[in-house]
Amino acid sequence: QLQLQESGPGLVKPSETLSLTCTVSGGSIGTSSYYWGWIRQPPGKGLEWIGSIYYSGTTYFNPSLKSRVTISVDTSKNQVSLRLRSVTAADTAVYYCARLPLQGPSWYFDLWGRGTLVIVSS
Amino acid sequence: EIVLTQSPATLSLSPGERATLSCRASQTVSTYLAWYQHKPGQAPRLLIYDASTRATGIPARFSGSGSGTDFTLTISSLEPEDFAVYYCQQRSNWPPEYAFGRGTELEIK
Repeated sequence: QLQLQESGPGLVKPSETLSLTCTVSGGSIGTSSYYWGWIRQPPGKGLEWIGSIYYSGTTYFNPSLKSRVTISVDTSKNQVSLRLRSVTAADTAVYYCARLPLQGPSWYFDLWGRGTLVIVSS
Repeated sequence: EIVLTQSPATLSLSPGERATLSCRASQTVSTYLAWYQHKPGQAPRLLIYDASTRATGIPARFSGSGSGTDFTLTISSLEPEDFAVYYCQQRSNWPPEYAFGRGTELEIK
C-alpha cells in the first residue's frame, strides 16, 4: 500500500530556508498517473495549497507563495522536496505532501501523509 | 481568488443523527469541489470529489451535493468515528490551483 512520509527540520530560523522531503513508499513516484503536492496548515487555521509537481518536473504553484517556493522530484530516491525561502513566523505550520491522480478522482488529493510540524523561530 | 466559506464552524450532534455541512464559494466552481475528513494526528482523507462522487472505500452514509457556488456534505447517520474536522476544497479548471475552506468541526454533543 502506497504511503507518504514527510520529513525535515522541525525548527527553522526566520529569514532562512525551510527544506522538507516527502518519501513515497509502496509505489513509484515516477509514474505518469500522478502529480504530487504540498499543502500546509498553520496552527488554528485552514489548509493552504503550496504547489504541485509531475515526475517530469512540471510544476504549479500557489500565486501567493510562488516567489519563495521550489518543488523538485527525485525519481531515483522516490522523493518530492519542498524549499521555502525567507521564512517568517507566518510559515509555521504542519506541512503535508499528497498525491494527485490524473484519473479517477482526477486532480484531487486522494492520499496524504500525516504531516510534519515546522516552527519558525529564533 | 475564490474564497470558500464553510458553515457552521462547529456542529454538535449525537451518534445516529444526520449532519449537514455547508460550503459556499465566492464565485462559481462548477462541480470542481471536494470534501475531506481530518482527525488530529492523522492524514486527511478524501471523501467526496466532483461535488458528489464518493472516493474509494467511503461509506454510503457520506454524500455530497451542489454545483456552482453552494455545496453540501451530508452524513446520514453519524457513527462515533465520524467526529472530525471537515474541509471543502475547490480546484480551478486550468491551471490546477486549489483553495480550501476553513473547516467545520463536527463534535459529539
